[in-house]
Amino acid sequence: DAKTTQPTSMDCAEGRAANLPCNHSTISGNEYVYWYRQIHSQGPQYIIHGLKNNETNEMASLIITEDRKSSTLILPHATLRDTAVYYCIVRVVVTSGSRLTFGEGTQLTVNP
Amino acid sequence: GAVVSQHPSRVICKSGTSVKIECRSLDFQATTMFWYRQFPKKSLMLMATSNEGSKATYEQGVEKDKFLINHASLTLSTLTVTSAHPEDSSFYICSATSGVAKNIQYFGAGTRLSVL
Repeated sequence: DAKTTQPTSMDCAEGRAANLPCNHSTISGNEYVYWYRQIHSQGPQYIIHGLKNNETNEMASLIITEDRKSSTLILPHATLRDTAVYYCIVRVVVTSGSRLTFGEGTQLTVNP
Repeated sequence: GAVVSQHPSRVICKSGTSVKIECRSLDFQATTMFWYRQFPKKSLMLMATSNEGSKATYEQGVEKDKFLINHASLTLSTLTVTSAHPEDSSFYICSATSGVAKNIQYFGAGTRLSVL
């Protein structure tokens, strides 16, 4: 699976949009971009994933550049409960046995 | 999203004892489950992939006789840490993928193991 690069930490004001970048310049054509987050001492939570089109769900939006070498996760109105480590992962989905390889992620701190 | 239940959430045991951790998919059948370990301030490290009805596939460096995995049904996988030692103290997390929604892994809440 392709390697990803994320900033170590970011801060965001409560109520503002949080934009978390991810670089995946070696991504292959059949690799998806996944975002998970992990609140302290809990299991990771799935947020969103996409292949090449932008995606939106009730939690976030995922913007993938046209060349697919980078992406941005957007939390439109961050709350204190969004403070977590956010992981960007690229992954080939072939079978249900496709693994997730976690990097160090971005520690997002939402401040009041 | 789908629910994965992990039990217990926390366990404290004496060195030399064995500890079993259960991972259940509550509202879907999990053809594949994964076991991860996470040390403080570190990222998740995949330990093994568990497929229902077959032997688990262990990652390099993970002792299969130390970490016994059983995936006897489509809703249950267990991880047994045998003869636990203080260095096995860690946060253990399972995840599951359904045969239908194979694109998404759902995670349990994790088990904090402390070996005295």
